[in-house]
Amino acid sequence: GQQVMQIPQYQHVQEGEDFTTYCNSSTTLSNIQWYKQRPGGHPVFLIQLVKSGEVKKQKRLTFQFGEAKKNSSLHITATQTTDVGTYFCAGTGANSKLTFGKGITLSVRP
Amino acid sequence: EAGVTQFPSHSVIEKGQTVTLRCDPISGHDNLYWYRRVMGKEIKFLLHFVKESKQDESGMPNNRFLAERTGGTYSTLKVQPAELEDSGVYFCASSQFFDTGELFFGEGSRLTVL
Repeated sequence: GQQVMQIPQYQHVQEGEDFTTYCNSSTTLSNIQWYKQRPGGHPVFLIQLVKSGEVKKQKRLTFQFGEAKKNSSLHITATQTTDVGTYFCAGTGANSKLTFGKGITLSVRP
Repeated sequence: EAGVTQFPSHSVIEKGQTVTLRCDPISGHDNLYWYRRVMGKEIKFLLHFVKESKQDESGMPNNRFLAERTGGTYSTLKVQPAELEDSGVYFCASSQFFDTGELFFGEGSRLTVL
């Protein structure tokens, strides 16, 4: 079945450093979404990418959808303590089902 | 506008007991989803309702799990009898559009089976 992989599951950065994480799918996706879950909270939608090679920015966050529509990246410029949480990617495959990755938990040292 | 609400927020039960989780989606959202996350694992799809109909229940682990959505409004997820491996956080999410829309998640119901 469709798999969405996020490796590693944990990353620690110093405040002010940049952070990049990747999401890889076993199949071609029609779209990919990113969610953020703060500690003790619930997943909150960040962005959806639909087009091959699409790049979207939200303040210090940059999201990219791969040309083959099988991978995506999230880049955070100059991390802040407010960026801590778990970032999930989720892709919609040919079965029209949204499949989530395991997420990457980001911690930021002040 | 009220978000997705779930009840209870936390439930601790013993193996063999029954638990019923409730989800109230955002008003007007026909699509309602149940997901489960075990610590360190992915957010795993359980099932999807469109209004009162089960669109996809391929993620339901076994017949100990029963989901209903009477009248196409709120939904319940019953686990009977509960087993240790059922522990985790059960998230409900709703969306206006199927297939391409963002999901609005509830706060989750944490289930602990002892």
